Amino acid sequence: QKEVEQNSGPLSVPEGAIASLNCTYSDRGSQSFFWYRQYSGKSPELIMFIYSNGDKEDGRFTAQLNKASQYVSLLIRDSQPSDSATYLCAARGAGNNRKLIWGLGTSLAVNP
Amino acid sequence: DGGITQSPKYLFRKEGQNVTLSCEQNLNHDAMYWYRQDPGQGLRLIYYSQIVNDFQKGDIAEGYSVSREKKESFPLTVTSAQKNPTAFYLCASSIIGPRTDTQYFGPGTRLTVL
Repeated sequence: QKEVEQNSGPLSVPEGAIASLNCTYSDRGSQSFFWYRQYSGKSPELIMFIYSNGDKEDGRFTAQLNKASQYVSLLIRDSQPSDSATYLCAARGAGNNRKLIWGLGTSLAVNP
Repeated sequence: DGGITQSPKYLFRKEGQNVTLSCEQNLNHDAMYWYRQDPGQGLRLIYYSQIVNDFQKGDIAEGYSVSREKKESFPLTVTSAQKNPTAFYLCASSIIGPRTDTQYFGPGTRLTVL
């Protein structure tokens, strides 16, 4: 059974701090990884994707991928109260399988 | 104004009724997906389609049906055979690329069985 695991949280950080969200995956053949943010009652919105080992930065967000250890992380710098949401991690397998394997999400609370 | 639209936003169904949820996209994406989200259970794939007139079952297809007659449209019917249909339904679409198929979501339809 291919799985993506995340700590459910809640992860609580003060405003201005760095929030670190982690995700591990079981399918070593997974090639692409996605981070989505979901506000309560709303649909998921893409933050960023990553498929190469190392770091990928986009504004206040940095995704980190380590295929050898099978984990993906998302760092949010200068966290704001508006970042309070559930963060979903997803992994796509190799080949023509377009299906994503989803984690259950980590709830983040940024306290003013 | 490109995007994915879902309608209705809220839907109430009596037991024994079939209902159809609409999903339309004008992003020229080839692939479309239907997910169901329940509290504490994450996103579960119902059906997906990579090309017109073709679709595949996801992990929880029982009690659901779909059609893909046009590239832009992928309606989902929740039949009376679905025993616990109350949930948040999400439609997504993506291009089909060599390394990454980023899925973009519509706003969702919240279905409640009365």
